[in-house]
Amino acid sequence: NAGVTQTPKFRILKIGQSMTLQCTQDMNHNYMYWYRQDPGMGLKLIYYSVGAGITDKGEVPNGYNVSRSTTEDFPLRLELAAPSQTSVYFCASSYSGGRASETQYFGPGTRLLVL
Amino acid sequence: AQKITQTQPGMFVQEKEAVTLDCTYDTSDPSYGLFWYKQPSSGEMIFLIYQGSYDQQNATEGRYSLNFQKARKSANLVISASQLGDSAMYFCAMREYSSASKIIFGSGTRLSIRP
Repeated sequence: NAGVTQTPKFRILKIGQSMTLQCTQDMNHNYMYWYRQDPGMGLKLIYYSVGAGITDKGEVPNGYNVSRSTTEDFPLRLELAAPSQTSVYFCASSYSGGRASETQYFGPGTRLLVL
Repeated sequence: AQKITQTQPGMFVQEKEAVTLDCTYDTSDPSYGLFWYKQPSSGEMIFLIYQGSYDQQNATEGRYSLNFQKARKSANLVISASQLGDSAMYFCAMREYSSASKIIFGSGTRLSIRP
């Protein structure tokens, strides 16, 4: 049981390039989330998904896209990378979002630098 | 709209002393959950403790306890007998039952334990 895994751990992008951040969970969780954490700040929700085929925007979705074709995978796509997207990206999952007590399990994060 | 505020950007505490990290929140939803996460320098997010809005007693988990004052809308984390390994960023977070898919985070408090 690996929990939530993310790849890559670190990536440098040039302005205008695109990339996909991978996230996989093996806990059969329905809900999955993408957050970004800027230096010295808390986490901000980018996108989330309540199940395969269903996604919705969070606080800061601009410049990102997601898809959820399976329960396990929730990739985050960056199109036309900008320096403002330099951040640490965390993927998280939870069994459901239906109970306020449901905690989230986080991946180790992907550090992205856009130059 | 839900909001989390952590007013202490940084704190220094002597080893073995108790420490209180402040968190205030704002919500119009009567049903919500409050979480505390620890983020050490390695970057992972570690769940510490949870408090539900209808819980009659303050939550405790080992050396961690949550001082929940509902009328004041505060959910302070208390760490008893601090240890060097407690040095980390600490984030307060909240989930409203009506928007249970989303957890919002405060900006965090950096706790440093002095030997």
